[in-house]
Order: sequence, then C-alpha cells, then structure tokens
Amino acid sequence: LAKTTQPISMDSYEGQEVNITCSHNNIATNDYITWYQQFPSQGPRFIIQGYKTKVTNEVASLFIPADRKSSTLSLPRVSLSDTAVYYCLVGTGGGNKLTFGTGTQLKVEL
Amino acid sequence: DVKVTQSSRYLVKRTGEKVFLECVQDMDHENMFWYRQDPGLGLRLIYFSYDVKMKEKGDIPEGYSVSREKKERFSLILESASTNQTSMYLCASRQRAGVNTEAFFGQGTRLTVV
Repeated sequence: LAKTTQPISMDSYEGQEVNITCSHNNIATNDYITWYQQFPSQGPRFIIQGYKTKVTNEVASLFIPADRKSSTLSLPRVSLSDTAVYYCLVGTGGGNKLTFGTGTQLKVEL
Repeated sequence: DVKVTQSSRYLVKRTGEKVFLECVQDMDHENMFWYRQDPGLGLRLIYFSYDVKMKEKGDIPEGYSVSREKKERFSLILESASTNQTSMYLCASRQRAGVNTEAFFGQGTRLTVV
C-alpha cells in the first residue's frame, strides 16, 4: 500500500465545513483512495472511496486532484457527533493486507 | 447487515496466561484481520487470513498466533500474555481483497494483562 500522510489532529466548531487532506505521493496507477471513520470505543467504518475527481455520498465528499498525489475528505456542516478519528488508505485492494495508519483525530466543539 | 462479533468487550488476564480472543463474522467473508490499537499508534495489523487455514503475518505478529479452522471464525492467541499486550484488539472482515470491498469491524476487546 502507498504510504499516506495526514494531520494528527484537527479542531472545528459545529456548523463548519471540515477538510482533511491526505498526501500520497507514491500512489500507483491502480490505487484507490479509501477513508474510514472511527468513533470512540468502536471499530472503524468505511465512509467513502474514490479514484479521481470527486465522489459524494450522504456522509462526505472526496476530492482528488488530477495528479492524485493527495486527496481531501470534506465533511459539510459538522456536528459534535462527527468527533472521530479519520483514516486515509491508499491501495488497489488487490492484495489481502489491509493497513491503517494513525489517522486524524477530529474534535468538534460547540 | 454484516455482523462481526468479538467474544468479549473487556477481559482481564494474568501475566503468563494463554489468552484466546474470538471473532465471528456472519457474511461468508474470505478475509479476516486482527489489529491492536494503542494511543498515538493508530491501528496496527497483527495477523490476517485470506481463507480457511491460511494466515499471514501483519506488521506486529510477535507474541501472537492465530487460528482459522472455519471460515466464519478467526481466533487471536496470546501464548503467554505480557503486560505490554494490554491494548484494544479489533477484528475485521471483508468479502475479499478488492477496491470496492469495505472492511467491517467488531466492537473491540479491551484486554488488560496484570
């Protein structure tokens, strides 16, 4: 899996848009970008996946520039319940190994 | 809905004990994983299995072993528990390796070794 770099932590307030950027300079042609979310005392859960341009679902948007060396997870109008750790993973998924990093701890306050 | 069930939420064991952590998934998934999570270190992969009786070491396999005798069950074994194995342990499964196959996690087992 390609190595990823993301901020250790971010703070925000309710109602704001939060953007978490992940760097993956050595992303391979066949690699996809996947984000997971982990609430306290729970296992991570899949939130979004993309290959290029923009992907949007009911939880978040994922922006991927043309060179694909980075990606940005966008959470619109966050609430206290969005406080969680967000993990960026890059790979084809073709291998069996599934590796997470340290993630980004997002803290949302009133 | 996919369900990944870990046998215990909290476990306290003594140093030197043999410890079994059990994980069961109900969706006929091929891949299963064991992670440990410690503050500041993120999720670290201990072992994974891509089929019955097949297993591979992850990034931190020392002090652990695994067993997968049936497709739905993946066990993590601490042969002789030590205090540095006190941690949150998370099991996950996914249907197979592939770009659109998301992983599903259990609720975790918080193991304390005293």
